[in-house]
Amino acid sequence: DAGITQSPRHKVTETGTPVTLRCHQTENHRYMYWYRQDPGHGLRLIHYSYGVKDTDKGEVSDGYSVSRSKTEDFLLTLESATSSQTSVYFCAISESNPGAGGNQPQHFGDGTRLSIL
Amino acid sequence: TQLLEQSPQFLSIQEGENLTVYCNSSSVFSSLQWYRQEPGEGPVLLVTVVTGGEVKKLKRLTFQFGDARKDSSLHITAAQPGDTGLYLCAGDVNNRLAFGKGNQVVVIP
Repeated sequence: DAGITQSPRHKVTETGTPVTLRCHQTENHRYMYWYRQDPGHGLRLIHYSYGVKDTDKGEVSDGYSVSRSKTEDFLLTLESATSSQTSVYFCAISESNPGAGGNQPQHFGDGTRLSIL
Repeated sequence: TQLLEQSPQFLSIQEGENLTVYCNSSSVFSSLQWYRQEPGEGPVLLVTVVTGGEVKKLKRLTFQFGDARKDSSLHITAAQPGDTGLYLCAGDVNNRLAFGKGNQVVVIP
């Protein structure tokens, strides 16, 4: 199994509070991704990183920011959490970008279940 | 608008039966990936198909990529309870992977 650790695994917080989710990898992969998974919507890309300090927006980036100061860590921050951000968040990594037509898989962490009350 | 449409959304079958699920799009993909996700876990890659008309087999699972590279199917022969899970297809779009909503498969012992 790919070495991906997401923390925390579960979190309950209140509307308006800041929240940071962490993804840590031991595979030295260049690409890292944050997705959210919701019933009726499937997996949707929030942000991704293609190197240290290199990030780009996905399809549902509003209300989220990311940072990658080291190859192994990718942080997702909700500056002021809203109830619509209640979801399961997945981090993924890949050696190259499968979205560029390559055959490389994305390896996923086990997710963080975030509830915002 | 969902780029990748998966059907059926939910399928429940008895152990030993065969099943086929579909992933369809109006877009052309360089490749399509199939993942399986079990409750409480992240998706795990099953296969990548890259050539139109390609057929790949993984034990009792058979994956086919459409000739026009717009669609794919997954056929499971003699389904087992261990095949239960959410099957996700993903295609390359605008330099990133886009996922379908998934086919939830339940195999009843």
